[in-house]
Amino acid sequence: EAQVTQNPRYLITVTGKKLTVTCSQNMNHEYMSWYRQDPGLGLRQIYYSMNVEVTDKGDVPEGYKVSRKEKRNFPLILESPSPNQTSLYFCASQSGWGRYEQYFGPGTRLTVT
Amino acid sequence: RKEVEQDPGPFNVPEGATVAFNCTYSNSASQSFFWYRQDCRKEPKLLMSVYSSGNEDGRFTAQLNRASQYISLLIRDSKLSDSATYLCVVNSQGQLTFGSGTQLTVLP
Repeated sequence: EAQVTQNPRYLITVTGKKLTVTCSQNMNHEYMSWYRQDPGLGLRQIYYSMNVEVTDKGDVPEGYKVSRKEKRNFPLILESPSPNQTSLYFCASQSGWGRYEQYFGPGTRLTVT
Repeated sequence: RKEVEQDPGPFNVPEGATVAFNCTYSNSASQSFFWYRQDCRKEPKLLMSVYSSGNEDGRFTAQLNRASQYISLLIRDSKLSDSATYLCVVNSQGQLTFGSGTQLTVLP
């Protein structure tokens, strides 16, 4: 089954404790993205990757890092989480740039206290 | 001004009603357009792409007006299962920008 998986689905952590949210897709897609979704603000892109070892900043990259060492995986790293990073995070992948459907993971609900 | 703007709603309509959502976008060079559906606390899923000539998929019709820079989604004969948030998505030079969504509740 074609899918995007994220782990963990729920996470409560404390300020400053490094964490990683994993994302994996089994569709051999080149393009992957991370978004955060906050009430009233919609989905905002954090980082995206057009292929292995190619990553770029989205609209709200501050406080986040990503890596793309393999095509299927695109982890999101919060080196020093802060309460304003409490949000719902989605990973997405698509087969091409722009015109193609994006497939989203199930989401990770992160709370930073 | 936001790049993609939607009326947040909520729209509360009875079963069987026809409901329409509009979405405006600011970048006149935008190339492609989509409607996504998002159920509460779930991931967004593609509902339909929006083509220049307009397109229909069952009870759903999408229209694009490039001159006025808006897209619309019409839902006919609303079902309870149509209750969700509908996200307008615009592609500009390969980058997708999401509207904040319009919430629809279909009432029995």
